[in-house]
Amino acid sequence: DAGVTQSPTHLIKTRGQHVTLRCSPISGHKSVSWYQQVLGQGPQFIFQYYEKEERGRGNFPDRFSARQFPNYSSELNVNALLLGDSALYLCASSLEGLRAEQYFGPGTRLTVT
Amino acid sequence: KNQVEQSPQSLIILEGKNCTLQCNYTVSPFSNLRWYKQDTGRGPVSLTIMTFSENTKSNGRYTATLDADTKQSSLHITASQLSDSASYICVVTGTSGSARQLTFGSGTQLTVLP
Repeated sequence: DAGVTQSPTHLIKTRGQHVTLRCSPISGHKSVSWYQQVLGQGPQFIFQYYEKEERGRGNFPDRFSARQFPNYSSELNVNALLLGDSALYLCASSLEGLRAEQYFGPGTRLTVT
Repeated sequence: KNQVEQSPQSLIILEGKNCTLQCNYTVSPFSNLRWYKQDTGRGPVSLTIMTFSENTKSNGRYTATLDADTKQSSLHITASQLSDSASYICVVTGTSGSARQLTFGSGTQLTVLP
């Protein structure tokens, strides 16, 4: 079985641009979460979606948005990119519930110049 | 503010030795605590998950402890191997109604030398 997949693997954007990152969960998983990991730090929680509804949100500005599709895949959108948005963006999927194990994808490395 | 603090920030040990990593948290209300291993350039992989009522949980050479009263957890690695070199991240899940939020520590960078 395939694990969590993310695309693209790497991405370079310039300040002010917009970016869309994509995530496909493990088959059967209905929850997807997004995280930002700046180099040398732990991941920061951005969003959690379950059954296409937002179930959790971290302390990120409104430039960050996400959605989940009927097939449970998800997109993370970031508008008006800043240099500080450069990071590894991780997606994790889980079945459901508070104790559900989260399985992480390999991440998308975003560089903003 | 929910916070997770890990110590030490980095650790170097010799192969075969044991080590213990620490995690203190202020997340409330508490749902569960996880330890993850993250190899460089890869996504984190779960090692253990513990709820409020669990004091200890083992996964092979990894043993996690949880003291919910003092809000402290530790991860003990026994007989370390070169492949244990990685970042170990403590993650605490808090709840607010139906919402769930994860707070990650900054990780402990472990290097195992031959």
